Amino acid sequence: GESVGLHLPTLSVQEGDNSIINCAYSNSASDYFIWYKQESGKGPQFIIDIRSNMDKRQGQRVTVLLNKTVKHLSLQIAATQPGDSAVYFCAEAGYSTLTFGKGTMLLVSP
Amino acid sequence: DAGVIQSPRHEVTEMGQEVTLRCKPISGHDYLFWYRQTMMRGLELLIYFNNNVPIDDSGMPEDRFSAKMPNASFSTLKIQPSEPRDSAVYFCASSLGPDTQYFGPGTRLTVL
Repeated sequence: GESVGLHLPTLSVQEGDNSIINCAYSNSASDYFIWYKQESGKGPQFIIDIRSNMDKRQGQRVTVLLNKTVKHLSLQIAATQPGDSAVYFCAEAGYSTLTFGKGTMLLVSP
Repeated sequence: DAGVIQSPRHEVTEMGQEVTLRCKPISGHDYLFWYRQTMMRGLELLIYFNNNVPIDDSGMPEDRFSAKMPNASFSTLKIQPSEPRDSAVYFCASSLGPDTQYFGPGTRLTVL
């Protein structure tokens, strides 16, 4: 029979382009957010985090933007490389746990 | 730092058999989480511990699943009896305080 799977949104970019991955979160009271990267066959890997008292935080080639008004997070990757190809998850922190989004698959072509 | 260690990395078993997955958290971390990831349902939290005590097991699918944390450096997730629908990748994660979680490499379970 036909199987119904989790259809991940996919972003396809060329090497060297900038990538923007978006995420909507659900709880307006959440005060801590994290982006994870999951490569094929591996566990999710921490990339960058941001607290709700900030609008923007920069890391190495990555920037996270937080818009609390519309409950929206974005991850910007500068000069995307083939090694950035992975599934990216945003997560919002509850009292002790994280709620993960469905994920976005990033495909980088050389 | 070795990170979170999980074993085995792959497990293939037959329906009805008992399966035990193992996890060693990062030293010093006081929270430990067990997740299951499938294409159908994504990443699901099964249970988490704080200071070796189970805090929330509402994500455990049924009584066939059980988890223990006998000490700060070891946890097990057991499925007995296993069923084909349990096939998934099981992740263990740990954190220092209820913030950033660090994941292990996962155990890919296939139940035939």
